Amino acid sequence: AQSVAQPEDQVNVAEGNPLTVKCTYSVSGNPYLFWYVQYPNRGLQFLLKYITGDNLVKGSYGFEAEFNKSQTSFHLKKPSALVSDSALYFCAVRDGGGGNKLTFGTGTQLKVEL
Amino acid sequence: DAGVTQSPTHLIKTRGQHVTLRCSPISGHKSVSWYQQVLGQGPQFIFQYYEKEERGRGNFPDRFSARQFPNYSSELNVNALLLGDSALYLCASSPRGGGEGNTEAFFGQGTRLTVV
Repeated sequence: AQSVAQPEDQVNVAEGNPLTVKCTYSVSGNPYLFWYVQYPNRGLQFLLKYITGDNLVKGSYGFEAEFNKSQTSFHLKKPSALVSDSALYFCAVRDGGGGNKLTFGTGTQLKVEL
Repeated sequence: DAGVTQSPTHLIKTRGQHVTLRCSPISGHKSVSWYQQVLGQGPQFIFQYYEKEERGRGNFPDRFSARQFPNYSSELNVNALLLGDSALYLCASSPRGGGEGNTEAFFGQGTRLTVV
């Protein structure tokens, strides 16, 4: 069975400061990892993914994520946060062994303040 | 290009009723998946359809069913609605569904179902 843990329900950061949203995963095969963002009363927007290759993945809106196999982590980062980044962030995993099922974490609410 | 479209956007039903939710995938995408997102939780996988065949099913009761049409659009049906079925129902489309899991899923805006 595959699973995702997002240990922080909420992350608060000042605008202009770097941000990190944490994610750890468990999967039997090779992991395919994804980050999505959700604004109020909206669907999910894709930010970035890790499939293979470089451990640092760059995505939309200046976000990046670092894959760490030994720690089974895929933390989302941004060097300089914006107030408009405030939203709900979901990490998701798919087993590279097959299928399209995404397993999501419980989400982390990011609040960026002036 | 249009993204994933879902209808209706909002719906209120009474316990015991039946509901049908609709989804049109991105043009050229052949895989559609359905997810249920209860308030305060992450989306939970319900079904995946690819080329009109069910390719995956989550841990949901038989009251939940779905189908995919020749034009790749999809319907999610829920019978005998319970209060606990109140949630945001999300549809996602992908270009492929044959086990090539390295493609991202593109989500619609969702249908907010309220059961009273």
